[in-house]
Amino acid sequence: DIQMTQSPSSLSASVGDRVTITCRASQSISSYLNWYQQKPGKAPNLLIYAASNLRSGVPSRFSGSGSGTDFTLTISSLQPEDFATYYCQQSYRTPPWTFGQGTKVEIK
Amino acid sequence: EVQLLASGGGLVQPGGSLRLSCAASGFIFSDYAMSWVRQAPGKGLEWVSAISNTGGRTYYADFVKGRFTISRDNSNNTVYLQMNTLRGEDTAVYYCAKDLVRFSSSPDAFDFWGQGTMVTVSS
Repeated sequence: DIQMTQSPSSLSASVGDRVTITCRASQSISSYLNWYQQKPGKAPNLLIYAASNLRSGVPSRFSGSGSGTDFTLTISSLQPEDFATYYCQQSYRTPPWTFGQGTKVEIK
Repeated sequence: EVQLLASGGGLVQPGGSLRLSCAASGFIFSDYAMSWVRQAPGKGLEWVSAISNTGGRTYYADFVKGRFTISRDNSNNTVYLQMNTLRGEDTAVYYCAKDLVRFSSSPDAFDFWGQGTMVTVSS
């Protein structure tokens, strides 16, 4: 199975900060990498698919990059509504579809 | 508007069974693969099972293989998860999720999620 490792596991940031979350796959997954945002008590929400494609309706301050084994999710200017947990997920070699352990973005 | 309404969760004893349902609306259900993803209390997301748009292909995580069965009824726009021989470690919120891509035999990304249904396995 492909293992997905996110870093950091948590971070504290202020409104307006640029935030970068990293996801590393245990083997190459080409660009088959998706990013989700989850707020407490809510279902996850797809932000980015195929590594760099912004889902319709998602603010442009979110962006994704990378290919192979290393990927990043960047929030260019953190907004109050962005405080949440973020997960990466691979869909290259399946089953299983595997998620990272999550990165919790908290208010500084 | 796409809606996924999950139901069927509850409290069950170890070794017991439950059947989860997920009623879909707002899209052509028979065009999309569907999945179940779970989240144990305070933990991350864990994919459980998936089914192709026609129902002809099913996929399972190793930890549920032989215990859970996914199925779908395209005439009633519903996907099911039959869960047998439940264990304490199956305690989680179970989400149903729709595939992003039409006519894909297996999921690519999960673009819409149900609200989740809680399954608690305890004596």
